[in-house]
Amino acid sequence: AQSVAQPEDQVNVAEGNPLTVKCTYSVSGNPYLFWYVQYPNRGLQFLLKYITGDNLVKGSYGFEAEFNKSQTSFHLKKPSALVSDSALYFCAVREVTNAGKSTFGDGTTLTVKP
Amino acid sequence: DAMVIQNPRYQVTQFGKPVTLSCSQTLNHNVMYWYQQKSSQAPKLLFHYYDKDFNNEADTPDNFQSRRPNTSFCFLDIRSPGLGDAAMYLCATSREGGHYEQYFGPGTRLTVT
Repeated sequence: AQSVAQPEDQVNVAEGNPLTVKCTYSVSGNPYLFWYVQYPNRGLQFLLKYITGDNLVKGSYGFEAEFNKSQTSFHLKKPSALVSDSALYFCAVREVTNAGKSTFGDGTTLTVKP
Repeated sequence: DAMVIQNPRYQVTQFGKPVTLSCSQTLNHNVMYWYQQKSSQAPKLLFHYYDKDFNNEADTPDNFQSRRPNTSFCFLDIRSPGLGDAAMYLCATSREGGHYEQYFGPGTRLTVT
């Protein structure tokens, strides 16, 4: 069975500082890893994914994530946080099947203070 | 813009009164999913369709049913809503294959009185 852990319920950073939101995973085989963001009373929006290739993947709104196979991690990063980045972030792993069911982490609330 | 649309955005129903939530997509994706999300928790998969094939999660209550009359539309029926069914319901779509991202609708927030 696949699983995802987001060890921090809450991350607080000051605007302009770098941010990291942590994610670790457990799968048998190669993982398909995703990050989504959710704003209040909205659905989830795709940010970026790792399927294969370069360990550093770049996504929307200046976010990037680093895949580390030995540490089974896929941490989300941004060099300079904005107040508008404040939201709920979910890491997910998808099954390598046609339907590709997702398993989501419990989410991390990011708060960026001015 | 191609998108996933959910109606209504907010739904209030009475305890035990059947309710239907709808989802439509213009992406022509063959996989559609229904999730339940409570209080900013992780979305919980209820069921999914791969084309017309319906797949129920083992722990989805019998109270929840779904219909997909065509590629574009999918419905979630809650036959006898209880107070514990109050939640955000998210519809999502995807191309087939786990390497594609999912596209989520804005959700329907269900209140049960």
